[in-house]
Amino acid sequence: GDSVTQTEGPVTLSEGTSLTVNCSYETKQYPTLFWYVQYPGEGPQLLFKVPKANEKGSNRGFEATYNKEATSFHLQKASVQESDSAVYYCALSDRGGNEKITFGAGTKLTIKP
Amino acid sequence: NSKVIQTPRYLVKGQGQKAKMRCIPEKGHPVVFWYQQNKNNEFKFLINFQNQEVLQQIDMTEKRFSAECPSNSPCSLEIQSSEAGDSALYLCASSLGNTLYFGEGSRLIVV
Repeated sequence: GDSVTQTEGPVTLSEGTSLTVNCSYETKQYPTLFWYVQYPGEGPQLLFKVPKANEKGSNRGFEATYNKEATSFHLQKASVQESDSAVYYCALSDRGGNEKITFGAGTKLTIKP
Repeated sequence: NSKVIQTPRYLVKGQGQKAKMRCIPEKGHPVVFWYQQNKNNEFKFLINFQNQEVLQQIDMTEKRFSAECPSNSPCSLEIQSSEAGDSALYLCASSLGNTLYFGEGSRLIVV
């Protein structure tokens, strides 16, 4: 079956430093890849998605490139802010439409002021 | 703010009791999902619906849960007999294409 593996947390960084959260995946299909973010007391929300290999997704200063050869989709941000503190999930959907999405275990990020 | 509405936000049940959660999906989204999120933040897919019909469900859901998504009424997920291990955040999501849009969840505590 499909699987997603991401950087184990928790990760603690100082404000203004750079972030990389690694994500690798396994699937037999041609997936759409996602990053979701979940703030305390809320449901997960879509950060961005990338449906095609070798394309980049971005939102709020975060970005990730769909690397089909390496089966990776690492999340990066050049300069984190305290408000970025949350849990980040890498996920994949191996077909369009109604198939369930497989999530990684999540990486808890804490940014110190 | 989420457009998927889940109620209640919290529920506390004794072991063996029924626990029912409801979800109003975002308008125009044809597919509804339920996930269970445990204290380690791990997601477990439970069931999904399209137009009131079940698309997929796991074995646990089939045996212990009752779920439906009737037209013109909220979707619901009910645990028939709660167990301690059912304590979790239950997330409803509706999807457009292959993107899930989640509600804020119903947190179940089984004592």
